[in-house]
Amino acid sequence: EAEVAQSPRYKITEKSQAVAFWCDPISGHATLYWYRQILGQGPELLVQFQDESVVDDSQLPKDRFSAERLKGVDSTLKIQPAELGDSAMYLCASSLLRVRTGELFFGEGSRLTVL
Amino acid sequence: KQEVTQIPAALSVPEGENLVLNCSFTDSAIYNLQWFRQDPGKGLTSLLLIQSSQREQTSGRLNASLDKSSGRSTLYIAASQPGDSATYLCAVPNSGGSNYKLTFGKGTLLTVNP
Repeated sequence: EAEVAQSPRYKITEKSQAVAFWCDPISGHATLYWYRQILGQGPELLVQFQDESVVDDSQLPKDRFSAERLKGVDSTLKIQPAELGDSAMYLCASSLLRVRTGELFFGEGSRLTVL
Repeated sequence: KQEVTQIPAALSVPEGENLVLNCSFTDSAIYNLQWFRQDPGKGLTSLLLIQSSQREQTSGRLNASLDKSSGRSTLYIAASQPGDSATYLCAVPNSGGSNYKLTFGKGTLLTVNP
């Protein structure tokens, strides 16, 4: 069964270091999302791609976070420098449809701990 | 701005019991509603997607209903099993704009005791 792949599963880093997360969506899925989930909370959208274009990054802290999806397939989310408050689960999701009825499929997530 | 609330925040039941999880949303102009399951430290698994034109959706022992006018959805789990223990989240898409993104509730942590 096709699935969203994410790596690494776990990342421990020190404050002020750079971290990067990678996501490979389900083949053929045009829409890719990065969500952040703090323990005990629901996921919150950071950035949304439609093919290679960003369609929503209103909640992305752009002074330290960046995201790209250069060829409209896999995507990278980077944090530089990491802060203590960035400790969270970073979830990638993808959706086949471009219209407003698409089902989202999530990866296993990348758990970040900033010391 | 869409807001999603899930009640209860946590629920503990004995094995075999039928149970209902609740989800409410403030903006009823939604296209669909999606229920997810999340095991500790894992990603989200899609359980059911209900389109706005539907009132119910069933998968095995799960049944989800949607009442758009009242801004509510319920997830019914029949004959609960210890393996059902997880956090259940509901999510609805934004009602405006050209893009499609989900707003999540905080989830209900379900524990099914053997």
